[in-house]
Amino acid sequence: KAGVTQTPRYLIKTRGQQVTLSCSPISGHRSVSWYQQTPGQGLQFLFEYFSETQRNKGNFPGRFSGRQFSNSRSEMNVSTLELGDSALYLCASSWITGPNQPQHFGDGTRLSIL
Amino acid sequence: ILNVEQSPQSLHVQEGDSTNFTCSFPSSNFYALHWYRWETAKSPEALFVMTLNGDEKKKGRISATLNTKEGYSYLYIKGSQPEDSATYLCARNTGNQFYFGTGTSLTVIP
Repeated sequence: KAGVTQTPRYLIKTRGQQVTLSCSPISGHRSVSWYQQTPGQGLQFLFEYFSETQRNKGNFPGRFSGRQFSNSRSEMNVSTLELGDSALYLCASSWITGPNQPQHFGDGTRLSIL
Repeated sequence: ILNVEQSPQSLHVQEGDSTNFTCSFPSSNFYALHWYRWETAKSPEALFVMTLNGDEKKKGRISATLNTKEGYSYLYIKGSQPEDSATYLCARNTGNQFYFGTGTSLTVIP
């Protein structure tokens, strides 16, 4: 069974640009969550999608947005990039949504802002 | 405690030693506590999901306990091996999102 796939693995952008990251969950998984990790910080929750609907949202500015398609694949978009957006972005999937569902993580996209 | 806190931040042990780490979290709005292992250059891997006060879970040489009333969980590794070297993350779920700690980085010296 293929794991969670994130593309691209690495990305370099400049301030003011926008970026789209992609996540393909494990086959059959319908919940996709996105996290940001910056040095010295734990994983920060961005948002969760289930069946194409955003279920929960973390405390991030509106520049961060996402969507989920009917095949459960998800994209995350960050507009007007800032230097502080440089981070590892992780996507995680689970079969259903719920507090006791373990998250299956991808390898992440490392975004660097110049 | 407002956030999930893990201690120690890092740990070096000799191969064969047993060790344990702590995860502290607010006891209110508790739904579940998750432990993950994150090896360098890999993705985080789920170890345990714990929901009930007094829960104990075990997977091989690794075990975990949960105290929801006082807001802490312990992760134990018995007879550490070099392949146990990783960052161990805990995460509290409040019913609608996960709050992760910053992790305990374990290095097992052969």
